[in-house]
Amino acid sequence: DVVMTQSPLSLPVTLGQAASMSCRSSQSLVHSDGNTYLNWYQQRPGQSPRRLIYKVSNRDSGVPDRFSGSGSGTDFTLKISRVEAEDVGIYYCLQGTHWPPGYTFGQGTKLEIK
Amino acid sequence: EVLLVESGGGLVQPGGSLRLSCAASGFLFDTAWMSWVRQAPGKGLEWLGRIKGIVDGGTTDYAAPVKGRFTISRDDSKDTLYLQMTSLTSEDTGMYYCVRETTLIGDWGQGALVTVSS
Repeated sequence: DVVMTQSPLSLPVTLGQAASMSCRSSQSLVHSDGNTYLNWYQQRPGQSPRRLIYKVSNRDSGVPDRFSGSGSGTDFTLKISRVEAEDVGIYYCLQGTHWPPGYTFGQGTKLEIK
Repeated sequence: EVLLVESGGGLVQPGGSLRLSCAASGFLFDTAWMSWVRQAPGKGLEWLGRIKGIVDGGTTDYAAPVKGRFTISRDDSKDTLYLQMTSLTSEDTGMYYCVRETTLIGDWGQGALVTVSS
């Protein structure tokens, strides 16, 4: 089964500075249809998760443009250009290319303010 | 606006059963593919299973840890998704989210808390 590995697990960042986190899959996430099914989600403390990025680099409606996704194959990155206080939370990647076993989440990266 | 509202959570004894409901609105429910995702206290997200829309056969898929114990169903006349859980153990304790699939997982409900304890 495909394994999703996120790093770092904890990411202390100064307000206004950039942040970057990684998501690596044990198998290529390029689907036979040509798409790469890798999404990013944000979960603020005490809230439900919400999707930020779909299919590697497409930002969801209402997501600030300081969030960007990139990558290909097995290596993916979520970047925040200038961290704000409201960005505190846990960020998860999700793969949907390999089925079964079904959707697979990474273990999460916890972003906190220094 | 898409709205997903879970209900039915609570305290259940080990070995017991529980059924969660998810009332959906703001989109065409009968064609939507829906999933359940859970989160144990202080832990990450775990996909549990999905049910396809009626036009796609309404078939189900499950994650290995819950296959045979959990059953996902839907009542399109009520725009409601269900999760029937049986043989519950303490490891099933957590928040259970109803989600709509749009490019994998798109919209999330607020969650229903399930506690398995004697």
